[in-house]
Amino acid sequence: GENVGLHLPTLSVQEGDNSIINCAYSNSASDYFIWYKQESGKGPQFIIDIRSNMDKRQGQRVTVLLNKTVKHLSLQIAATQPGDSAVYFCASEGNAGNMLTFGGGTRLMVKP
Amino acid sequence: DTGVSQDPRHKITKRGQNVTFRCDPISEHNRLYWYRQTLGQGPEFLTYFQNEAQLEKSRLLSDRFSAERPKGSFSTLEIQRTEQGDSAMYLCASSRGSSEQYFGPGTRLTVT
Repeated sequence: GENVGLHLPTLSVQEGDNSIINCAYSNSASDYFIWYKQESGKGPQFIIDIRSNMDKRQGQRVTVLLNKTVKHLSLQIAATQPGDSAVYFCASEGNAGNMLTFGGGTRLMVKP
Repeated sequence: DTGVSQDPRHKITKRGQNVTFRCDPISEHNRLYWYRQTLGQGPEFLTYFQNEAQLEKSRLLSDRFSAERPKGSFSTLEIQRTEQGDSAMYLCASSRGSSEQYFGPGTRLTVT
């Protein structure tokens, strides 16, 4: 089966610093990866995605890096702001259809 | 707001009762997904529809669970004879084809 997991359960950063959230996956057949942000009491919010034919993709203040060799995914947030405080999940598309498999989440805490 | 909506947002029920949740996807999205999320964990896939056809069901979806999307628009998820272990956040997401999934705010179910 597929396993998507995160290295760190909690990450605390200073406002203005860059944040890096890591994720490992086990299924080499996964070809689509997504990062979601979830604030308390809300559903996951799409941040950025990347397909397996890419190594890097940039959005507004966010960058996702994919290393297929070691099955590792990371989310970089530039100039982290208090509003970035949330739980971040990586997810990958499973073998059978469009279901997403989520990791356990990393809580990002931004200190003012 | 044209995002995914879910109703109710919170539901408290007694063990053994039936409950039904509703999800209204983004209007032009033909795919609709149901996930379950317990505290501190990532969402777990339950089932998904393409238009009105239910194409995949997780092994998590026991016989007490049933989902419908009769007209290919809104969907309902029913849980019969609820158990305390059913307490969770039930999330709905929608997508246009295999593009990114957008999540609703969820329905938090508490079974007493």
